[in-house]
Amino acid sequence: KQEVTQIPAALSVPEGENLVLNCSFTDSAIYNLQWFRQDPGKGLTSLLLIQSSQREQTSGRLNASLDKSSGRSTLYIAASQPGDSATYLCAVYTGTASKLTFGTGTRLQVTL
Amino acid sequence: DTEVTQTPKHLVMGMTNKKSLKCEQHMGHRAMYWYKQKAKKPPELMFVYSYEKLSINESVPSRFSPECPNSSLLNLHLHALQPEDSALYLCASSLSRTEPYGYTFGSGTRLTVV
Repeated sequence: KQEVTQIPAALSVPEGENLVLNCSFTDSAIYNLQWFRQDPGKGLTSLLLIQSSQREQTSGRLNASLDKSSGRSTLYIAASQPGDSATYLCAVYTGTASKLTFGTGTRLQVTL
Repeated sequence: DTEVTQTPKHLVMGMTNKKSLKCEQHMGHRAMYWYKQKAKKPPELMFVYSYEKLSINESVPSRFSPECPNSSLLNLHLHALQPEDSALYLCASSLSRTEPYGYTFGSGTRLTVV
């Protein structure tokens, strides 16, 4: 059974800092990995999608990497802003189960 | 159109009421999903529809009844719910169930059962 863990569970940083969120998964036979952002009480916004054959994806200040063999992904946020404050979820799609498995989430707060 | 639209955004219902949640997408996606999310927890899969047919039911109680009238629309019918069913209900879609190429989520319906 696929298990996805995110570390840290919560993170508070001052504005302008670069930061890294971590995601690890137990079954490396994934089809793809997706990073989402969720504001309190809101839906999920897709940030980046990495296919299993890719190593990284970039969008603006965000960069996500994938090391499938070690079961790890990182989300790098450059020059953080207060508007980045949210919960960040990683999710892996495992072909054998045809299901998306979510991580436990990292609650990020960026302070002024 | 790259959105999944959910209505209503908020719903308060009594334990004897019948209500429905609605989800719509016009991206040509053939897989649609219902998730339930409790506070500070990740979303939990409830149902999966593939090509308008129910393909996964994650042992959800029968008081939740999904329906997929066409490839763009997904409903969740609610009846005789319990207070513990209060949660954020999220709808999502993907290109297909077996080759999803990423999921698109709606903004959710905040359900409160009183």
